[in-house]
Amino acid sequence: AIRMTQSPPSFSASTGDRVTLACRASQDITGYLAWYQQKPGKAPRLLMFAASTLQHGVPSRFSGSGSGTNFTLTISCLQSEDFATYFCQQYYYDPPTFGQGTRVDI
Amino acid sequence: QVEMLESGPGLVKPSETLSLTCTVSGGSISGYSWSWIRQTPGLGLEWIGYVHYSGTSNYNPALKSRATFSVDTSKNQFSLTLTSVTATDTAVYFCARHSRASYATFDFWGQGSLVTVSS
Repeated sequence: AIRMTQSPPSFSASTGDRVTLACRASQDITGYLAWYQQKPGKAPRLLMFAASTLQHGVPSRFSGSGSGTNFTLTISCLQSEDFATYFCQQYYYDPPTFGQGTRVDI
Repeated sequence: QVEMLESGPGLVKPSETLSLTCTVSGGSISGYSWSWIRQTPGLGLEWIGYVHYSGTSNYNPALKSRATFSVDTSKNQFSLTLTSVTATDTAVYFCARHSRASYATFDFWGQGSLVTVSS
């Protein structure tokens, strides 16, 4: 199965910061990459698919980029509701696989 | 707004069978594929497999054929059974809908059901 590696595992930030999260695939997945946000005790929420396409209803401060094996999720101006764990997921190969997540703390 | 709710026993004994049902409301199960995904602190999010509303399924080979899915369109439900469970099957189990915009991504999720495998 394709291994998805996220970095860093966690970090601290402040409201208003611009933050960039990284995700690397163990093989070329072209652009078949999704990002999810998860808050404690809740289900993941789909933020983005096809590496850079925002899911309906997701604020425009979220953006994604990358192709091949290296991808990033950027939050341009961190809001209080953005403190959460973020997961990447590849869906180019079967089975779909997820990264271990990056937790964004205050 | 689609809502999904997992139901089933929260405690299963080792070597027995785990059974969960996902009930979909606010939308029809028809026309979509539906996945089961589990989450543990150690392994993170693991895709178990999917069932299409027509009944066809695809499974994660890592589950070594222990998983089986079924779908009941008349009840707007789909189900997971996982046989021969061990402590490593202890997890929060989510049901999730496949997005039509990007097939193997998941746009609606249930709240999750914690299943503990213990004697």
